[in-house]
Amino acid sequence: ILNVEQSPQSLHVQEGDSTNFTCSFPSSNFYALHWYRWETAKSPEALFVMTLNGDEKKKGRISATLNTKEGYSYLYIKGSQPEDSATYLCAPTSGTYKYIFGTGTRLKVLA
Amino acid sequence: DGGITQSPKYLFRKEGQNVTLSCEQNLNHDAMYWYRQDPGQGLRLIYYSQIVNDFQKGDIAEGYSVSREKKESFPLTVTSAQKNPTAFYLCASSIPMWDRSPGSNQPQHFGDGTRLSIL
Repeated sequence: ILNVEQSPQSLHVQEGDSTNFTCSFPSSNFYALHWYRWETAKSPEALFVMTLNGDEKKKGRISATLNTKEGYSYLYIKGSQPEDSATYLCAPTSGTYKYIFGTGTRLKVLA
Repeated sequence: DGGITQSPKYLFRKEGQNVTLSCEQNLNHDAMYWYRQDPGQGLRLIYYSQIVNDFQKGDIAEGYSVSREKKESFPLTVTSAQKNPTAFYLCASSIPMWDRSPGSNQPQHFGDGTRLSIL
């Protein structure tokens, strides 16, 4: 896995809006995909680890889906709150030591 | 509470000077990693270690060195050979890949980072 792209790079949404962003990766040699939330002045925090095609994971208002055949994962936030403001990173791995991190999507939720 | 501690939070380096960034974990993880972040770029792997007394170069190891004498500790030295050291450095740990089975995947745990600047 060499090239990971996340889009958009940044977005601003109003409190209460739902939003989603994308992580694209080469589908060959896929083993697992990690999503992290990285708030300013804190360390990245693991959100989800996804391994199976069609996987859907949920944690409160945040959910994620995985399509390993076409090489993408979506992260959804329902009813965004100011505390959701963070950079969201995805990192696919091919099952070795190596995680390839995307550049992240920077989310700002406006009150 | 288990976690990863990086120190210092901010570090300044003079020209020609080596500096060492500390990373300590009490999660009993065998694997540890060092990443570098530059503006507009994803985290890039500098070095990683899957077990004590063993470490491997990542994608951007030139100008850096590490040691892994204890399971808990993985210090990173930024040498004078690193011509552009100004960046944010993150340390992470995890269960080594050989402990994982399909469907049982553990994420990395990160420290709070060290910001290194040139004087």
